[in-house]
Amino acid sequence: GENVEQHPSTLSVQEGDSAVIKCTYSDSASNYFPWYKQELGKRPQLIIDIRSNVGEKKDQRIAVTLNKTAKHFSLHITETQPEDSAVYFCAASIRGNTPLVFGKGTRLSVIA
Amino acid sequence: DVKVTQSSRYLVKRTGEKVFLECVQDMDHENMFWYRQDPGLGLRLIYFSYDVKMKEKGDIPEGYSVSREKKERFSLILESASTNQTSMYLCASSTGTSGYEQYFGPGTRLTVT
Repeated sequence: GENVEQHPSTLSVQEGDSAVIKCTYSDSASNYFPWYKQELGKRPQLIIDIRSNVGEKKDQRIAVTLNKTAKHFSLHITETQPEDSAVYFCAASIRGNTPLVFGKGTRLSVIA
Repeated sequence: DVKVTQSSRYLVKRTGEKVFLECVQDMDHENMFWYRQDPGLGLRLIYFSYDVKMKEKGDIPEGYSVSREKKERFSLILESASTNQTSMYLCASSTGTSGYEQYFGPGTRLTVT
């Protein structure tokens, strides 16, 4: 089955700097890659996703890139703000077929 | 606005008790999921359901069972609670199994003593 590895497990950045979180997956058939953000004490929420026919997707300060050959995808947050502090989860699956497999999460701290 | 609710935010049970965790969604979603969340282990899928009365095992089904008698409700059952089932339990729903946004409930923090 699918296996998703996520790095780093913790990340601290200065406010205004960029943050990058990387994930690798094992099943080459996977074609859907969402990212969820979980603020302290709250439920996970989808922030961005990418499908395998796209190499990069951007939404304001966040972007996701996908390299299907290398089987890895990354979340990029630019101009970080304190409200970006949260746990971020990547996930992968075969769209419409199997449930999501989540990475173990990255705790991002943005220091003001 | 999608709403997924869970019956309790906090629950304390004794070892050996039967525990019911309830999840209700109001968006007519076909698919519902139960995860447990533990520090450093991320979100692990326990069971999921893609239709009423249907269920599929996830990655860690041992010690759990589920029930889905109505489309909007998905119950997680711990037949005989054990201390290693102390965890945060999250329910989610979506219009499809994958490739669609999952909407999570607020979670139930279960402590088994």
